Amino acid sequence: EADIYQTPRYLVIGTGKKITLECSQTMGHDKMYWYQQDPGMELHLIHYSYGVNSTEKGDLSSESTVSRIRTEHFPLTLESARPSHTSQYLCASSGTGDHTGELFFGEGSRLTVL
Amino acid sequence: GQNIDQPTEMTATEGAIVQINCTYQTSGFNGLFWYQQHAGEAPTFLSYNVLDGLEEKGRFSSFLSRSKGYSYLLLKELQMKDSASYLCAVSPSSNTGKLIFGQGTTLQVKP
Repeated sequence: EADIYQTPRYLVIGTGKKITLECSQTMGHDKMYWYQQDPGMELHLIHYSYGVNSTEKGDLSSESTVSRIRTEHFPLTLESARPSHTSQYLCASSGTGDHTGELFFGEGSRLTVL
Repeated sequence: GQNIDQPTEMTATEGAIVQINCTYQTSGFNGLFWYQQHAGEAPTFLSYNVLDGLEEKGRFSSFLSRSKGYSYLLLKELQMKDSASYLCAVSPSSNTGKLIFGQGTTLQVKP
């Protein structure tokens, strides 16, 4: 059973607000990721981290930012939310070796910006 | 460019066998993954193929042909709980979970 947790699960906020989506894992994984998924659409990588103090942007451009100060924690922040940011945000982590692509996902944070 | 194609929807009958196809064109290849995602839930890992051939895991099997850029997921003895989206994903580079996902195939299992 995966041990990766996201909060909040659901968030409805107004335009211009700052929000932080939390993600924590207890598996000791070095690699962590944020994927964005719109309803019925594919997951797109927006951020990833190979370890503490390592963060890079993914293939899909995003106005969000991330930080990795501790191995277990990988929060995502939107400084000023807009309706175009409405989406589901999925945090994931993976171990090392051949199965690095075996991602363990959190339950997701569904964000609605009014 | 990077492209992964799979059918949008499929319907099958409880107890039957269903095959979900996936074709891919990516800049690199270091493995193909299948994930299951129930509505409103997180994706969960099903299978991994990096060499050509069939990988079997219980009722689920996954096949890969690298020369054809083709994979399929085979589900046997379908159960109602198998109704979900099945996501095909490719890892273009080694030692990373930076996956490229297809849009997913929504499978509906009927009694």
